Amino acid sequence: EAGVTQSPTHLIKTRGQQATLRCSPISGHTSVYWYQQALGLGLQFLLWYDEGEERNRGNFPPRFSGRQFPNYSSELNVNALELEDSALYLCASSPRTGLYEQYFGPGTRLTVT
Amino acid sequence: AQSVTQPDIHITVSEGASLELRCNYSYGATPYLFWYVQSPGQGLQLLLKYFSGDTLVQGIKGFEAEFKRSQSSFNLRKPSVHWSDAAEYFCAVDFTGTASKLTFGTGTRLQVTL
Repeated sequence: EAGVTQSPTHLIKTRGQQATLRCSPISGHTSVYWYQQALGLGLQFLLWYDEGEERNRGNFPPRFSGRQFPNYSSELNVNALELEDSALYLCASSPRTGLYEQYFGPGTRLTVT
Repeated sequence: AQSVTQPDIHITVSEGASLELRCNYSYGATPYLFWYVQSPGQGLQLLLKYFSGDTLVQGIKGFEAEFKRSQSSFNLRKPSVHWSDAAEYFCAVDFTGTASKLTFGTGTRLQVTL
């Protein structure tokens, strides 16, 4: 069974630009989660999508947004990039809302210069 | 406020020695509890989880964890560490009751000496 996949592996952007990160969940999983792992800040919850709807978001500004497509894959968009957005962005998926563990992908390393 | 604490930033053990990684949380009720491991440049791999029931939980790779309600702790243990266990270990807690929003500890980096 294929795991959670993320693309691209690395992304380099300039301050002020927009970044788009993509995630494909495990087949059969309908919930997708995004986390940011920044140096010095640890792992922080960003967004949760389930059945195409945003269910919860963490303490991040509105320039962090995303969506979930009908095939349950997801995009994370970061607008007006700032230097402190440089981080590893991890996507996770779970079968559906309920008591299920989250399975993580390898992450996208975003570098903002 | 709800929080997760991993008091040990870095631990070094000899191969074959036992291991215990500490995790404490601050919350008025019983949350859902997880341990994940992250190797350099990799994503997170789930070692074990606790939702309810038996407070001693068995996981993969020979790891186990014990939930102690009175101490608000969920410590991870392994009786005999292998060199391949060197990685960063994260305790994660869900305070929402939906297992959807994980709050992570700051992590413990494990070094294994031969």
